[in-house]
Amino acid sequence: DIQMTQSPSSLSASVGDRVTITCRASQSVDDYLNWYQQKPGMAPKLLIYETSTLHSGVPSRFSGSASGTNYTLTITGLRPEDFATYFCQQTSNVPRTFGRGTKLEI
Amino acid sequence: QVTLQESGPGLVRPSETLSLTCAVSGALDSTYHWGWVRQSAGKGLEWIGRIHVSGHSALNPSLKSRVAMSIDVSRNQFSLRMNSMTAADSAVYYCARDRSPLGFGAGTGFDIWGQGTTVVVSS
Repeated sequence: DIQMTQSPSSLSASVGDRVTITCRASQSVDDYLNWYQQKPGMAPKLLIYETSTLHSGVPSRFSGSASGTNYTLTITGLRPEDFATYFCQQTSNVPRTFGRGTKLEI
Repeated sequence: QVTLQESGPGLVRPSETLSLTCAVSGALDSTYHWGWVRQSAGKGLEWIGRIHVSGHSALNPSLKSRVAMSIDVSRNQFSLRMNSMTAADSAVYYCARDRSPLGFGAGTGFDIWGQGTTVVVSS
């Protein structure tokens, strides 16, 4: 299985800040790396797929990039509704695997 | 707009079999796979497997011996069965639309999720 190591596990920030979350894959995932946002009591929501493509309706303050097997989610200009938990996921290989999540707190 | 809704028992006895169904509003589009993910505090998000309207399925090897999936196109629903349940299987179970091609090719994420159903394994 491909292991997805996500960091940090938690992050404190303020409205208006720029934050970065990182996910490292244990082997190549050919940029089939997705990011999800999850709020308490709700299902995850797809934000970004294939490293950097925004899912429909996702604001442009979210962006994704890659360097080798390291993937980054950046949120520029945090808004109150962005405080949530974020997960990465690889969909290159079966089984699909997720990172353990980053809780973004105020 | 396609929506998914899980249904099934909230409580399962140890060693028994869990049966969950996901009702899809609209047709089960053959462009996608239809899958299951669970989430627990201990294991985080865990992919269980997926099924296509063709009947082709892929399962997580860690669960494969205990899991079966089925799909009923006429009823617009797909199902999960997991046997020999233990406390470690207690989790929120989600169904989701999986944007993966037929076969074992790479996909582009799970774009629609059900609201999730909590399953507790306890005597």
